[in-house]
Amino acid sequence: RKEVEQDPGPFNVPEGATVAFNCTYSNSASQSFFWYRQDCRKEPKLLMSVYSSGNEDGRFTAQLNRASQYISLLIRDSKLSDSATYLCVVRSGGGADGLTFGKGTHLIIQP
Amino acid sequence: SQTIHQWPATLVQPVGSPLSLECTVEGTSNPNLYWYRQAAGRGLQLLFYSVGIGQISSEVPQNLSASRPQDRQFILSSKKLLLSDSGFYLCAWNRDKYNSPLHFGNGTRLTVT
Repeated sequence: RKEVEQDPGPFNVPEGATVAFNCTYSNSASQSFFWYRQDCRKEPKLLMSVYSSGNEDGRFTAQLNRASQYISLLIRDSKLSDSATYLCVVRSGGGADGLTFGKGTHLIIQP
Repeated sequence: SQTIHQWPATLVQPVGSPLSLECTVEGTSNPNLYWYRQAAGRGLQLLFYSVGIGQISSEVPQNLSASRPQDRQFILSSKKLLLSDSGFYLCAWNRDKYNSPLHFGNGTRLTVT
């Protein structure tokens, strides 16, 4: 089983719709979780950290389910500018090398 | 605030030529520093990381090397490039805390011809 898994998509979603995708992780001792956004041919940018109680930032909501070992990202009222690849990142160790990236979910918002 | 600078943005090099990519971080001290590579359509591969000056850990055996001559400077090098070295190289930093996210530089797109 891969350490961090994401559905690669693409998810084709009409503008204004709500879209959600998950990321599963294999190490039950994982400590920290993040969502990044990567535009084509650009660097990944931190979208949000994921807290145990769930957290919201505008149209974006992140959730953590430790029992089932997954995190989720929900985007409400999607905009054309939300089209990107969304990367899940999990910290499973205490060292500097403890971060594991998923391969990303490609989201396309259609007008 | 902290910023990370990486250069050059793009590079085209012939096979067998040397490589030097540089990354500097401003606004913080003693950061963890990282070099990642992303091949076209692929995920991020950790190449090297450093927790301090002169301390380099390699994740993948290859013809690349890294150095950290100063606290906020990280350099990726190669003596002889291979075609397979083509890719998008990303420098990143974070603090030495379990909940500290990575912050990436703008990346260097390397094409080896």
